Amino acid sequence: DAKTTQPNSMESNEEEPVHLPCNHSTISGTDYIHWYRQLPSQGPEYVIHGLTSNVNNRMASLAIAEDRKSSTLILHRATLRDAAVYYCILRGANTGTASKLTFGTGTRLQVTL
Amino acid sequence: NAGVTQTPKFQVLKTGQSMTLQCAQDMNHEYMSWYRQDPGMGLRLIHYSVGAGITDQGEVPNGYNVSRSTTEDFPLRLLSAAPSQTSVYFCASSSSVVNEQFFGPGTRLTVL
Repeated sequence: DAKTTQPNSMESNEEEPVHLPCNHSTISGTDYIHWYRQLPSQGPEYVIHGLTSNVNNRMASLAIAEDRKSSTLILHRATLRDAAVYYCILRGANTGTASKLTFGTGTRLQVTL
Repeated sequence: NAGVTQTPKFQVLKTGQSMTLQCAQDMNHEYMSWYRQDPGMGLRLIHYSVGAGITDQGEVPNGYNVSRSTTEDFPLRLLSAAPSQTSVYFCASSSSVVNEQFFGPGTRLTVL
């Protein structure tokens, strides 16, 4: 399975944008890039996903490099409620592999006043 | 619409005991999975299912069994609990091959 590399931790001030990077140099052409986050003592929560083009939703934006070997999750205005561990995950498009999400250790985001 | 539900929320077992962790979803999702999360770690896949009657092993399947007799339910059975199985267990479901997975609240299991 293709793997992802993320920084262990990042800090941000409240109300400022946050850019969370992810490297996935061995991504295959059919792998989707998914982002999840996990708040303390909760299950993971879906944030966003994309294949090739940049994506926006109400929670965040996903910027995907042209060669797809890296991506960046963008939180436009961080709040204290965004403090969580953020996971960048590759999900295959084949039936057998798509059910599986391989989580790494993620990036712990700290948000301060 | 309850989403993904898991029972129990907490469980303490003695070494050698068996038990079943329950997972149910009411979204008519074909895909369901079980993960475990050890302290300070990411989630690791135990077993998954792509539809009723179809299951397969994930990354860490040893010591666990699953079955999928209905679309809604995906129980995880611990055959003979060991302290190494102390963890938080998450169940997840999704509607399609690439769409988002919905996670349950988790079951915190301690094996003494």
